[in-house]
Amino acid sequence: DADVTQTPRNRITKTGKRIMLECSQTKGHDRMYWYRQDPGLGLRLIYYSFDVKDINKGEISDGYSVSRQAQAKFSLSLESAIPNQTALYFCATSDFTGTGLNGYTFGSGTRLTVV
Amino acid sequence: DAKTTQPTSMDCAEGRAANLPCNHSTISGNEYVYWYRQIHSQGPQYIIHGLKNNETNEMASLIITEDRKSSTLILPHATLRDTAVYYCIVRSTNSGYALNFGKGTSLLVTP
Repeated sequence: DADVTQTPRNRITKTGKRIMLECSQTKGHDRMYWYRQDPGLGLRLIYYSFDVKDINKGEISDGYSVSRQAQAKFSLSLESAIPNQTALYFCATSDFTGTGLNGYTFGSGTRLTVV
Repeated sequence: DAKTTQPTSMDCAEGRAANLPCNHSTISGNEYVYWYRQIHSQGPQYIIHGLKNNETNEMASLIITEDRKSSTLILPHATLRDTAVYYCIVRSTNSGYALNFGKGTSLLVTP
């Protein structure tokens, strides 16, 4: 099984619908992140969490919310999806310093299309 | 975190060494240089990181200049599967923030 699992892998939803993207990890890491990637662009940080009680906004948090249900689970929600939220979404984890042997570990991504 | 500058794209023949440069002239003493790569829409993959000494692992070598203002990622024998976007990221261990990805270098390995 993958260290960082994202579900669903692909999703098409309609404008105005609420949608949740889920992420779970078996790395035992405290820190979890949600990134968004648009075609031809790098990854941009949406939200990050350093532990269950700690949630922080990234550079593009508007229109998104998150929930850290447990150390291993971090969900991203779009309360009312809009077409410009069509993108590839990645979840990632890291250890305390981020300089562990493997640095950050990313999931395989969720491709979201809002029509 | 210090800003990095990378070429937009590079080509490399299969079997040859791929040398990917990165400039980080504003790097500070406690900032590490990380390299990640992303193979066509997959999740980014950690490659290597270093502080000031050169580093080598099973994937690549990282050469950091003595003044630490630039570095080079070396893939010693590039294969077609190394075609990807390579990101050079500079970050301190206590910055408290996630990795900041730029646009990276798109490396094309050709037969």
